[in-house]
Amino acid sequence: EAGVAQSPRYKIIEKRQSVAFWCNPISGHATLYWYQQILGQGPKLLIQFQNNGVVDDSQLPKDRFSAERLKGVDSTLKIQPAKLEDSAVYLCASTPVGIGTGSRQGSKAYGYTFGSGTRLTVV
Amino acid sequence: DAKTTQPPSMDCAEGRAANLPCNHSTISGNEYVYWYRQIHSQGPQYIIHGLKNNETNEMASLIITEDRKSSTLILPHATLRDTAVYYCIVKLAGAGSYQLTFGKGTKLSVIP
Repeated sequence: EAGVAQSPRYKIIEKRQSVAFWCNPISGHATLYWYQQILGQGPKLLIQFQNNGVVDDSQLPKDRFSAERLKGVDSTLKIQPAKLEDSAVYLCASTPVGIGTGSRQGSKAYGYTFGSGTRLTVV
Repeated sequence: DAKTTQPPSMDCAEGRAANLPCNHSTISGNEYVYWYRQIHSQGPQYIIHGLKNNETNEMASLIITEDRKSSTLILPHATLRDTAVYYCIVKLAGAGSYQLTFGKGTKLSVIP
């Protein structure tokens, strides 16, 4: 099974520039998440999609961040304009819909699958 | 979701068991304990989860106290590749819609 694909792997931009990140989740996974991880901290949720609809974007700084998942498959996260404090790793994760916990058919079935992330440096 | 408390760092000798503790004193009856780890330059990876019974899989064992206020993740024979940050997360069951809230985790260093 292919994992969650993210690109680019690294990006360096100047402040006030714009940048976009791409995520392709595991095939068939309806729920997609974007997380921001600042150095030394745990990942923080930015936005959650269910198919092509937004479930939760309460922690997304909407004045500069935007995200879409138009066809319910891959997703893009955009920052415009970028600030120095946006320097972080941006992680994408996906999960299937409707997983219960009554069946234990393998450990991976109940976990989120994360991509390797995009490391953004704003200078 | 209940909050968790973990030590910021731990060391373990290679080949020994690594026991990573987690306190979750405010856990509610329908919340599960999940463990993830994050190896340097990678995304977090699911390890194991449980409700109240001890659990074991190919990666680790999870021991949950009877009152469910704390748990321990056990890596039975730690290797250098187990060096990572380990996150203990408490959340409602069902991976489809419920979000993961990460703390700072425990940085485990496996020493040769």
